Amino acid sequence: NAGVTQTPKFQVLKTGQSMTLQCAQDMNHNSMYWYRQDPGMGLRLIYYSASEGTTDKGEVPNGYNVSRLNKREFSLRLESAAPSQTSVYFCASNSDRVVSQPQHFGDGTRLSIL
Amino acid sequence: KNQVEQSPQSLIILEGKNCTLQCNYTVSPFSNLRWYKQDTGRGPVSLTIMTFSENTKSNGRYTATLDADTKQSSLHITASQLSDSASYICVVSGSTTSGTYKYIFGTGTRLKVLA
Repeated sequence: NAGVTQTPKFQVLKTGQSMTLQCAQDMNHNSMYWYRQDPGMGLRLIYYSASEGTTDKGEVPNGYNVSRLNKREFSLRLESAAPSQTSVYFCASNSDRVVSQPQHFGDGTRLSIL
Repeated sequence: KNQVEQSPQSLIILEGKNCTLQCNYTVSPFSNLRWYKQDTGRGPVSLTIMTFSENTKSNGRYTATLDADTKQSSLHITASQLSDSASYICVVSGSTTSGTYKYIFGTGTRLKVLA
């Protein structure tokens, strides 16, 4: 089982460039999430999608946009990258309405903005 | 404010020794508490989950405890192995008015096991 797959694994951008981080899951989960992980901080929620066709802002949505393309795929877009967006980005999925189900995480995208 | 605090920030132990990691939370309403293991360069992987009615849950050499009254949890690792070197993250979830769940992450404890 692939689980949650994120691409790319690494990326370096210049300030002002744009890019899209891709995420796909093969577990038929309804809910998908985008987090960022910074040194000394817990994972912070950027956006989430409770089901296909719906998205909601999380704790730190500014500077990001998302698209829930279908049930499998949830992408994160940086329209104009800033150095403050240098981080490790994790995508996760789960059956959110089942309390016992864990979030399954991808292995992250390491993004550096110069 | 919903918060999850973990201690210690980092820990170094010798292979074969036991250790205990702590998690205190103020998340309300509380639904469940989960411990994740995150290896360097990888995403977090779930170890255990406990609801408010559960006091302890084991997964091999990992045993988690929960005191819902004091809002404290601990993760005990028995007979540590080199492969236990990782960050351990405490995550508390609470229900929302829309029927979904919010997840509050601690900053993690970085464990290093030495041979």
